[in-house]
Formats: sequence, C-alpha cells, structure tokens
Amino acid sequence: SYVLTQPPSVSVAPGQTARITCGGNNIGSKSVHWYQQKPGQAPVLVVYDDSDRPSGIPERFSGSNSGNTATLTISRVEAGDEADYYCQVWDSSSDHLHWVFGGGTKLTVL
Amino acid sequence: EVQLVESGGGLVQPGGSLRLSCAASGFSFSSYEVNWVRQAPGKGLEWVSYISGSGTTIYYADYVKGRFTISRDNAKNSLYLQMNSLRAEDTAVYYCARDGRGYYDSSGYYHKGGHDYWGQGTLVTVSS
Repeated sequence: SYVLTQPPSVSVAPGQTARITCGGNNIGSKSVHWYQQKPGQAPVLVVYDDSDRPSGIPERFSGSNSGNTATLTISRVEAGDEADYYCQVWDSSSDHLHWVFGGGTKLTVL
Repeated sequence: EVQLVESGGGLVQPGGSLRLSCAASGFSFSSYEVNWVRQAPGKGLEWVSYISGSGTTIYYADYVKGRFTISRDNAKNSLYLQMNSLRAEDTAVYYCARDGRGYYDSSGYYHKGGHDYWGQGTLVTVSS
C-alpha cells in the first residue's frame, strides 16, 4: 500500500516562509493535493494537481512535486495560517485503487 | 452554491449498524464522483470509500471492506454509507467530499481531481 510521510509539525514566525513536505515513492509521477484544516472545521482544498490553487485561495499558497517529495509552500505566513495540513494522492498502482492521505502536519505560527 | 450536508451520525453499540446520508445541492450531482472520509478524535484524515457519478464503480478502504456499503441516489441528489458490524475504532467524524475534475496527461495517465468540496461532517460514536 502506498504511504505518504509528512513531518508532524512545522513552526515558523509571521512573515516568514513555511515549507511542508510530503514524501512518497516516486510521488513526482502522481498528482498531489493539499488540504488545510482548522480546529473544529472541515478540510479545505488549498492546492490541487501539485501546484494549482482553487479560486479564493491566496497566492501565498503554492506547491511543487518532483522525485520522491512534494512540497506545500506558504509565503508571508500569517497567524490565520495556523492549522493542520494534509497531502493526498490517488494510488492506482495496483488493482486496489484508493485515496491516500499523509499523516498531517501541524503548522504553528510563533 | 455547492453544499454537502451529512446526517445520520450518533451513538451506536459495538456490532451495531448506522446509515449516513449526504445531501448535495448547487451542482449536477450525477456528474461528480464522491467519497466518504473520516477523522477519529485527535487523528488525521482517513479515506473510507469512493463511488463514481453513475454509481457503477466503487472502492473501499481495507479496514471497512465487507462491513460498509456506499451508494447514491442521483434522483435524490444523495450519497449514503451503510455501516454494519461497527467497532470502537470506527468512531470518527464522517465527511462526504466531492472529487474535482480530473484530466488525462500527454501519456494518457488519468489524474484525479482533489476533494474540492466537503460537508461539515457527522459524528459516529461506537461505544457500549
């Protein structure tokens, strides 16, 4: 079964850049989606297809994907960006097709 | 406005059953693939099941296969999850989530769209 590995936590000062990684075997060949989830709320899609942003998501959110690592980058971090972030891929590498989520990363704004 | 509204959660004893519903509005429901995703208290997101727009293609996570059944009624714009033989570890908030549009790349590989809309979730508690 395909596994996505995220760091449990990332801390950054306001105004700085946060980078959240998502590791997976040859993840660069897959489309990676990223979600933001604040306490008590449903997840929100912030980046899809590696690097595209849904309407309404600030340009400060960007993504990249190559090799065995995908990265969500949040520029000029604000207090309101503090949340859990999850990466996701669709695993079609076997006859058991399924969505896979990373374990999540808690972003703390210092 | 796209809306997904879950219902049917509650307290159930181990071994019991529960049926969740998700009412969709604001879009052509039958044209979209949808999923159930759950989140145990204090834990991460966990995909449960997927169903295609027509309902003919279905996938399950291993940990619910044989116990849960996903279905949809496009005439009623509704998604369902029948949960049987419930266990304590099934305790979670259950979300319905719509898949966005995918695309084929130049090599013919299909890239599925992410979950672009989510419901607010419904809590299922399995306890005696």
